[in-house]
Amino acid sequence: NAGVTQTPKFQVLKTGQSMTLQCAQDMNHEYMSWYRQDPGMGLRLIHYSVGAGITDQGEVPNGYNVSRSTTEDFPLRLLSAAPSQTSVYFCASSYRTGVGKLFFGSGTQLSVL
Amino acid sequence: DAKTTQPNSMESNEEEPVHLPCNHSTISGTDYIHWYRQLPSQGPEYVIHGLTSNVNNRMASLAIAEDRKSSTLILHRATLRDAAVYYCILRDFANAGGTSYGKLTFGQGTILTVHP
Repeated sequence: NAGVTQTPKFQVLKTGQSMTLQCAQDMNHEYMSWYRQDPGMGLRLIHYSVGAGITDQGEVPNGYNVSRSTTEDFPLRLLSAAPSQTSVYFCASSYRTGVGKLFFGSGTQLSVL
Repeated sequence: DAKTTQPNSMESNEEEPVHLPCNHSTISGTDYIHWYRQLPSQGPEYVIHGLTSNVNNRMASLAIAEDRKSSTLILHRATLRDAAVYYCILRDFANAGGTSYGKLTFGQGTILTVHP
């Protein structure tokens, strides 16, 4: 199993550009989520999904869109990148019940100039 | 989710035990205590969880106070690879299956430095 796979690992954008961060998991997890981590801070939840076709907002959703068309994939879209979105982004997945141990990807480091 | 309080940083020497404390005075009866750690330049990884009884696994031990208002993550013999940020998080299993169940609230965590 590959676990949670995030691409790309690094990305540099100019202000106003759009892009999609990819996240895929092969564990058949119902639950997937996106977090951002700014320097010296803990992780903050952006969006999450409890299954295909179902998404909801987390703590810091503004400027980001998500969709969940399959169980495996949960892409995060930046519609018009801003310098404030410079951060490290982590995707995570888990089963929806039980202990709900989260599995994280290795992250995408995004810089917006 | 109920709030947790951890020291900002701790230091240890290699091969010595490390006790990482966490206070959670507002914990509810249905909250699991979870610990995650984040190694430099990596995503967080699950370490251990518990409800009421002390727990052991290959990575660490979790000691839970009798009143459950605090817990301690124990690394029995710290190695340089244990240097990381350790997060103590509460998770309400009564919401298992619900839309909010996967939402973990991460605080600042404890930065553990291990000296050779």
